[in-house]
Amino acid sequence: GAVVSQHPSRVICKSGTSVKIECRSLDFQATTMFWYRQFPKQSLMLMATSNEGSKATYEQGVEKDKFLINHASLTLSTLTVTSAHPEDSSFYICSASLNYGYTFGSGTRLTVV
Amino acid sequence: AQTVTQSQPEMSVQEAETVTLSCTYDTSESDYYLFWYKQPPSRQMILVIRQEAYKQQNATENRFSVNFQKAAKSFSLKISDSQLGDAAMYFCAYRSGNTDKLIFGTGTRLQVFP
Repeated sequence: GAVVSQHPSRVICKSGTSVKIECRSLDFQATTMFWYRQFPKQSLMLMATSNEGSKATYEQGVEKDKFLINHASLTLSTLTVTSAHPEDSSFYICSASLNYGYTFGSGTRLTVV
Repeated sequence: AQTVTQSQPEMSVQEAETVTLSCTYDTSESDYYLFWYKQPPSRQMILVIRQEAYKQQNATENRFSVNFQKAAKSFSLKISDSQLGDAAMYFCAYRSGNTDKLIFGTGTRLQVFP
């Protein structure tokens, strides 16, 4: 079946540094990728929608300069958390839409110290 | 805007028994899709079942079935013959027929006791 590979699975970074999270569609072309954030014991909150070759669409309240999304190819979308702070610590998940369904990455646990 | 509500933060069931998880949604659209996703401790999102709004027949997948009441905007999940491996967070989700966005409910944590 369709697989989205998300890396890294865990990352710890120092406050003020930037972190890049990658999501790759392994056996299909993902024209649209969704990025979610999930706080402990909470639901998935959609942050942004990225479309290959165009600017990402951010949900209300999500800082586009803080969370940079790039979708330069049909198989790769990246989320860069810039100048990370402890409050950015969270679980980030990507998802690709496919045939009216979705394939999710395995998630990235970001801890900012 | 569409919303998805799961009124049961936690549910528990004994192994081999049946449990029903509730979900309601609010929309003015007639064309949409509904999903149930399972998120085990690994946090990998796993599709449990999917329902197209235009289909009157309730979707079933082995031990999992839904009760889709379009007029009432209700989409409950029934798990039969519960197994220990069913223990997880379950999220109800809505997708408009016009966009790809998936809107999640707040989730229900299901515990399964032996």
